[in-house]
Amino acid sequence: AQKITQTQPGMFVQEKEAVTLDCTYDTSDPSYGLFWYKQPSSGEMIFLIYQGSYDQQNATEGRYSLNFQKARKSANLVISASQLGDSAMYFCAMREPGTGANNLFFGTGTRLTVIP
Amino acid sequence: DAMVIQNPRYQVTQFGKPVTLSCSQTLNHNVMYWYQQKSSQAPKLLFHYYDKDFNNEADTPDNFQSRRPNTSFCFLDIRSPGLGDAAMYLCATSRGTQDLPEQFFGPGTRLTVL
Repeated sequence: AQKITQTQPGMFVQEKEAVTLDCTYDTSDPSYGLFWYKQPSSGEMIFLIYQGSYDQQNATEGRYSLNFQKARKSANLVISASQLGDSAMYFCAMREPGTGANNLFFGTGTRLTVIP
Repeated sequence: DAMVIQNPRYQVTQFGKPVTLSCSQTLNHNVMYWYQQKSSQAPKLLFHYYDKDFNNEADTPDNFQSRRPNTSFCFLDIRSPGLGDAAMYLCATSRGTQDLPEQFFGPGTRLTVL
């Protein structure tokens, strides 16, 4: 069963505008974690932001914020004031509950293109 | 800077010729992971080491093996590479704790099989 779903294969955004990348997840475990990673064309996966299932507030890291809606099982990434360097693949991932090593399941990704 | 290093960045091998990919870390993390990422797909976990304990994913082919001789190094061995094994191989590390769950990735090794 698909644990992480990203329904947007590609997104375009104008430079300096905000963009939301969608992510929904599926788990019956009350304890889980959600991550967003950025993968530029060079291939390296860059950690952006983390949200724990028990966190009361939405996570924020600079221009990145996570819109966590627990009842809807969604964890959308919001990038404010987009920059040309934000053009990359973005992956949503979930920590598999119950594993001590924090194994991650990744979605299929969204390719973001920032237009000048 | 503390980091995850992968060598080589690009590896070309022949069909059936064993190949070893290397990963090292200066983060002193307990856990090291190997992922396979094929073109336009999500990374797929192959296995991980929690300290010296090896954990294989159920659907990882026997053709893939791993070694972790010490905390800093972890190797991915592909015994008989097939054309379908051409992919980006990503190494990652984490503390393996609930309070610091994020994984830190290396730059990857892109494997080509001729």
